[in-house]
Amino acid sequence: QKEVEQDPGPLSVPEGAIVSLNCTYSNSAFQYFMWYRQYSRKGPELLMYTYSSGNKEDGRFTAQVDKSSKYISLFIRDSQPSDSATYLCAMSGNSNYQLIWGAGTKLIIKP
Amino acid sequence: DVKVTQSSRYLVKRTGEKVFLECVQDMDHENMFWYRQDPGLGLRLIYFSYDVKMKEKGDIPEGYSVSREKKERFSLILESASTNQTSMYLCASSFIRGRRNTGELFFGEGSRLTVL
Repeated sequence: QKEVEQDPGPLSVPEGAIVSLNCTYSNSAFQYFMWYRQYSRKGPELLMYTYSSGNKEDGRFTAQVDKSSKYISLFIRDSQPSDSATYLCAMSGNSNYQLIWGAGTKLIIKP
Repeated sequence: DVKVTQSSRYLVKRTGEKVFLECVQDMDHENMFWYRQDPGLGLRLIYFSYDVKMKEKGDIPEGYSVSREKKERFSLILESASTNQTSMYLCASSFIRGRRNTGELFFGEGSRLTVL
């Protein structure tokens, strides 16, 4: 079993829909949780960063962490075609160097 | 803006050839990383470096070596390329996570290597 599980998709939704992307993990020592966005033929870029449990909001994006369930989510409101990309979750414990990555979910927003 | 530059976007090499992938960052980051990205497997860490001339193995170091002679430059070397090393290679850099920064990774655009 992988340490981090993420459905690879693709997930296809109409423009304007609310999108929910999720990852589950098995290591209770994880404290830092990140979502990266990767456009085609580009490197990933950090989208959201959360420490420990709770919610974090940034514009149309909300990241949620539920440590009791070992489950993290990224919500995108009013989705746009420009949100079409692969979304990777990543997490770590105290180490500065070892991020554990999900496989990435490919998201397609249809105009 | 932070810039991580990878020397080659696309390479085609033959089995047994030596391959150099170079990465340069301009933000004075302490940490540098080499990942490979394959469909369905996500990002896997090959090697990382936390200082000049320092290197540590990641999860899949076999068949690779690295060099960090200067703080801004981190090179990945495939001594004898094999077909199972066909992949997307991503370089990244970061500050050490602390009170003033998250340790966010900044990635280059990737080098797609095909080994025939």
